[in-house]
Amino acid sequence: GQNIDQPTEMTATEGAIVQINCTYQTSGFNGLFWYQQHAGEAPTFLSYNVLDGLEEKGRFSSFLSRSKGYSYLLLKELQMKDSASYLCAVRAHDYKLSFGAGTTVTVRA
Amino acid sequence: DAEITQSPRHKITETGRQVTLACHQTWNHNNMFWYRQDLGHGLRLIHYSYGVQDTNKGEVSDGYSVSRSNTEDLPLTLESAASSQTSVYFCASSESVRAGLDTQYFGPGTRLTVL
Repeated sequence: GQNIDQPTEMTATEGAIVQINCTYQTSGFNGLFWYQQHAGEAPTFLSYNVLDGLEEKGRFSSFLSRSKGYSYLLLKELQMKDSASYLCAVRAHDYKLSFGAGTTVTVRA
Repeated sequence: DAEITQSPRHKITETGRQVTLACHQTWNHNNMFWYRQDLGHGLRLIHYSYGVQDTNKGEVSDGYSVSRSNTEDLPLTLESAASSQTSVYFCASSESVRAGLDTQYFGPGTRLTVL
């Protein structure tokens, strides 16, 4: 099974940087996904890591350490539209995703 | 444009009634998934399918069933709705289980209230 932990809430100022951590314990790891979900909307795909290291996509970056069971999502140059929930999801060898409860990020002016 | 749709978007029903939630995707994806999302629990997998005539139980499948008669549709049926099934339901699809093709894309969700 999967056990996925991420902070419940984070607050940051417009233009700043925020790092959302995700730790996991899994019986079979086969990749980690980050999704963004605005209130009342569907989750949308942000990033995918299967190997150790940093993946950069514009203002968003995601890092993975498989040996530590750890990932983070880095949001740079925060904008008001980045206020949302960020979901960490672990893919197992049976191809199913297990999601963390999500981290709600509030960006203040 | 290809897409994934869910209907209805909102549904109110009574305890004991049978309810079916529709999910339709036009990407020709092999894999389809149903999740429920509740405060404090995140997304939990109900049922999933890796192709026509294939269905599998997820972690919270009790009281739910699915069928996959074609590539495009995976309807979710609540056999006898219970108040504990009040939730937001998301359907998702992915092209394949092969790495790089397994990103799941989500429908807009159905908010179900069981009174």
